[in-house]
Amino acid sequence: DTAVSQTPKYLVTQMGNDKSIKCEQNLGHDTMYWYKQDSKKFLKIMFSYNNKELIINETVPNRFSPKSPDKAHLNLHINSLELGDSAVYFCASSQVSSYNEQFFGPGTRLTVL
Amino acid sequence: QQQVKQSPQSLIVQKGGIPIINCAYENTAFDYFPWYQQFPGKGPALLIAIRPDVSEKKEGRFTISFNKSAKQFSLHIMDSQPGDSATYFCAARGHQGAQKLVFGQGTRLTINP
Repeated sequence: DTAVSQTPKYLVTQMGNDKSIKCEQNLGHDTMYWYKQDSKKFLKIMFSYNNKELIINETVPNRFSPKSPDKAHLNLHINSLELGDSAVYFCASSQVSSYNEQFFGPGTRLTVL
Repeated sequence: QQQVKQSPQSLIVQKGGIPIINCAYENTAFDYFPWYQQFPGKGPALLIAIRPDVSEKKEGRFTISFNKSAKQFSLHIMDSQPGDSATYFCAARGHQGAQKLVFGQGTRLTINP
């Protein structure tokens, strides 16, 4: 009965590799997000999709590419990983309304060696 | 103008005390102010939220005080318990279609028994 799930929970990889993180929500929400939380715990939005359409694209390197195959899924693909990409990545979802609550997944801790 | 400034960075309180976490913003277009609670290894979870047309909101032991003219809001935790030890984030949402949340820097709260 998990609301927002992410896989994998941990990801350790070498610099230069390409990796993907998957996210699924079973809440019936129409909007999904990717956030990055750095080592100082600062949370920053990266992308947002509404009904499979990209609506927020913050200043994120082109190496990061989100893909939303349907409303319930939002994946994040990262090319040519760099040391600075090490962080915890959170997926979230919400239903667009006047005051939407964003539900967060458990996070994926990415470590680039 | 898109920033939300949160203080203190860390806070230690004895059980039963009333920790207070403060946030300030500049953008008067923000129309929704949630607080999120994050335990280690977990994603943030919505704790309580307020709209700018009210000055206070209580849910259980948690209270938000909102000062629209000063562009400040704060979280008070009554009768704090060791189980309240977590990182707390304030956030603000712009009244835009993108539903983007801007987070404060986070406050690491420790409640000593």
